Amino acid sequence: DIVMTQSPSSLAVSAGETVTINCKSSQSLLYSGNQKNYLAWYQQKPGQSPKLLIYWASTRQSGVPDRFIGSGSGTDFTLTISSVQAEDLAIYYCQQYYDTPFTFGSGTKLEIK
Amino acid sequence: EVQLVESGGGLVQPGRSLKLSCAASGFTFSDYNMAWVRQAPKKGLEWVATIIYDGSRTYYRDSVKGRFTISRDNAKSTLYLQMDSLRSEDTATYYCATQGLGAFYFDYWGQGVMVTVSS
Repeated sequence: DIVMTQSPSSLAVSAGETVTINCKSSQSLLYSGNQKNYLAWYQQKPGQSPKLLIYWASTRQSGVPDRFIGSGSGTDFTLTISSVQAEDLAIYYCQQYYDTPFTFGSGTKLEIK
Repeated sequence: EVQLVESGGGLVQPGRSLKLSCAASGFTFSDYNMAWVRQAPKKGLEWVATIIYDGSRTYYRDSVKGRFTISRDNAKSTLYLQMDSLRSEDTATYYCATQGLGAFYFDYWGQGVMVTVSS
């Protein structure tokens, strides 16, 4: 199985700051046939279902604010949230869809000071 | 608007069975791969099973293989999860989700349904 390791497990920032969440996979998620990274990011707000933010490591889902930026390739990926807002309070998960079983990171809890 | 509405959850004894349903609307159900993802209380997300858009193939995580069966009725735009020989570790909120063709990220999610396995 591909193991997804996220860091940090939690962080607290003030509104307006920039946040970086890291995700590392135990094997490369870059498929040579199409040069795409099979990595997605999700946001789960308290009491809600997860919501897709980013796929192909850096493509924003329709309707997602451009302050959410995905980057990285191979085994190392980053979700950057610029100018964090109170509504960004949530747990963020990365997920690989390179191979079954599809696996998620353990999550990063973002708190707003 | 995409809508996924799960039903069929509840409290069940270990070893018993339960069948979840997910009614889909707002998109062409037969064009999408579909999946079940679960989340144990206060825990992270765990993929359970996927079924290809036409029902031709299914995929399962090892811990549910042989016990759970994912299926779909494209005429009714409904996804199912038959869960047999339930164990306490199957206790979780179960989400129905769409998966894009050729790319198995989870585009849209239902609100989830709780399954509690306990005597």
